[in-house]
Amino acid sequence: SQKIEQNSEALNIQEGKTATLTCNYTNYSPAYLQWYRQDPGRGPVFLLLIRENEKEKRKERLKVTFDTTLKQSLFHITASQPADSATYLCALGGRGSYIPTFGRGTSLIVHP
Amino acid sequence: DGGITQSPKYLFRKEGQNVTLSCEQNLNHDAMYWYRQDPGQGLRLIYYSQIVNDFQKGDIAEGYSVSREKKESFPLTVTSAQKNPTAFYLCASSIVKGGTDTQYFGPGTRLTVL
Repeated sequence: SQKIEQNSEALNIQEGKTATLTCNYTNYSPAYLQWYRQDPGRGPVFLLLIRENEKEKRKERLKVTFDTTLKQSLFHITASQPADSATYLCALGGRGSYIPTFGRGTSLIVHP
Repeated sequence: DGGITQSPKYLFRKEGQNVTLSCEQNLNHDAMYWYRQDPGQGLRLIYYSQIVNDFQKGDIAEGYSVSREKKESFPLTVTSAQKNPTAFYLCASSIVKGGTDTQYFGPGTRLTVL
């Protein structure tokens, strides 16, 4: 069955460093991959989308890579700030589907 | 100011009671969704609707019901048949145009069964 894995342990980093979050998947050939941010008690907010034929996408301090051979996406936040502390969810979508499947998310804590 | 609203933010229910969660959107999106989120868990799809007067079961539809009488509204009823209803419920919407659609989420409703 399809499986999406995100590190269940929180990632703790120091302000100013680059945070790197991982999303691995198995038994899946996604057409696209999305990353969302979720703050406690709030709904997720869309950040970035990367398609299967793209290797990398950037948006301001955010960078996403997508390696379909390794079945992995990396999500980077450069020059991290305490305000970046949140849970980050990856979501995968198949061809012809408009409903992505979400991972459990990884909590990021940026210390001042 | 466009977006998705959910009400109430917090809801308490006694065992054996049905309760309805409201979800409204003014984004003119075709599709709407209900998800359930438990601590440490991903989002699990309960029901979704691509068009008015039509909806489909998601992965965990048992004990839930929905209606889609208007494009803007997609209420979720948690029935007494739902064995573990205490959870955080999220409503979302998207434009249906072929596979890469961003999901726009509401602020969520936290349901607690006493």
